[in-house]
Amino acid sequence: QVQLQESGPRLVKPSQTLSLTCSVSGGSISSDSYYWSWIRQPAGRGLEWIGRVAASGITNYNPSLTSRVTILVDTSKNEFSLILTSVTAADTAVYYCAREFFGEFADYWGQGTLVTVSS
Amino acid sequence: DIQMTQSPSSLSASVGDRVTITCRASQTISNYLNWYQQRPGKVPKLLIYSASTLQSGVPSRFSGSGSGTDFTLTISSLQPEDFGTYYCQQSYNTPSLTFGGGTRVDIK
Repeated sequence: QVQLQESGPRLVKPSQTLSLTCSVSGGSISSDSYYWSWIRQPAGRGLEWIGRVAASGITNYNPSLTSRVTILVDTSKNEFSLILTSVTAADTAVYYCAREFFGEFADYWGQGTLVTVSS
Repeated sequence: DIQMTQSPSSLSASVGDRVTITCRASQTISNYLNWYQQRPGKVPKLLIYSASTLQSGVPSRFSGSGSGTDFTLTISSLQPEDFGTYYCQQSYNTPSLTFGGGTRVDIK
């Protein structure tokens, strides 16, 4: 059973950088069948796909965030990470990491971590 | 960009009711349509992929149909654990994934 777990600071100051890591257990992040993605959800609102990374390091991003987001993979540690720069209060949300099957749907999700942007 | 519109945005139903949720794409997406359930305070859970394929472990009272631009999620007999918010998501317009706005299912 694949498990994903987010970690990182829960409070980030405006204009600074949000960094989260997702640790994957119960399966290899190097599998060719899967991509590894970040999805966020502001309180009381819907889901927003942020982007994904393949084990090769190839990435895809939401066009609305592409100028501020980087997703990296570390296959030696079986983890991937999210970097979001120049954050504002609008970036306050629960951030989920997830496994995507062939980039089509997310079949395993982490528990989510609430990140608050506030001074 | 492909927009996904769900209707209704919310509904109230009783245990045992048949519930239908609609998702419409702004352009054709073939059958690249997936459904998720999110119970209050919980993680989204994949219910159906490729418009009509039930994810392993999901009860058979859930079903999906449609292709092109119009899709439906049906719960044949609503159970207490089915209350929450349901999201559709398209994967036709790769590389981006797009979610619908959600349909909240409440207890009547």
